[in-house]
Amino acid sequence: SQQGEEDPQALSIQEGENATMNCSYKTSINNLQWYRQNSGRGLVHLILIRSNEREKHSGRLRVTLDTSKKSSSLLITASRAADTASYFCATGRDDKIIFGKGTRLHILP
Amino acid sequence: DAGVIQSPRHEVTEMGQEVTLRCKPISGHDYLFWYRQTMMRGLELLIYFNNNVPIDDSGMPEDRFSAKMPNASFSTLKIQPSEPRDSAVYFCASSTHKSSGANVLTFGAGSRLTVL
Repeated sequence: SQQGEEDPQALSIQEGENATMNCSYKTSINNLQWYRQNSGRGLVHLILIRSNEREKHSGRLRVTLDTSKKSSSLLITASRAADTASYFCATGRDDKIIFGKGTRLHILP
Repeated sequence: DAGVIQSPRHEVTEMGQEVTLRCKPISGHDYLFWYRQTMMRGLELLIYFNNNVPIDDSGMPEDRFSAKMPNASFSTLKIQPSEPRDSAVYFCASSTHKSSGANVLTFGAGSRLTVL
């Protein structure tokens, strides 16, 4: 299916460390996005990378995309307590946006 | 803009009752998506509209679910009759291609449905 699968399912790191989350998918895509969800809230868009791009940066976020391996990674550098949330990759094909099950990230003080 | 507005935020109902969830997208957005989120199944795409027309409803679980978008500023998701397994958080999201050329979604706060 088009749905992305994030890895790991859960991640706990110390504040200040870098956090890396991975996403794999099965079909061809036009773009891939990453979203964050704080507990009890709606999802918030973080970054979009198109299928012809390999890497994008936005502040402390770095996203890579390898279409040959059908995988993406999200790196959050210098993590903060406020980064504690669930992170989802979303694959876009035509107009359809399909989400994975997410990675729960917990930043330890 | 107030963002995507969903109502009700919480709904508790009994099995067999009709449930109507409402969504007001961001003005100017021409795409509207309905998702359902559970721990077991994650975020499932139920249906999406473009210019008020349903484009893909393949994610609608069964005939008990229906969605409409009578105009650009309003959409409903109806479950009739409701069942306990419908308990979930239902999200509405809207988007437009105009700025980024891709569907970057703005989500509402969600409607938490509990069917007893």
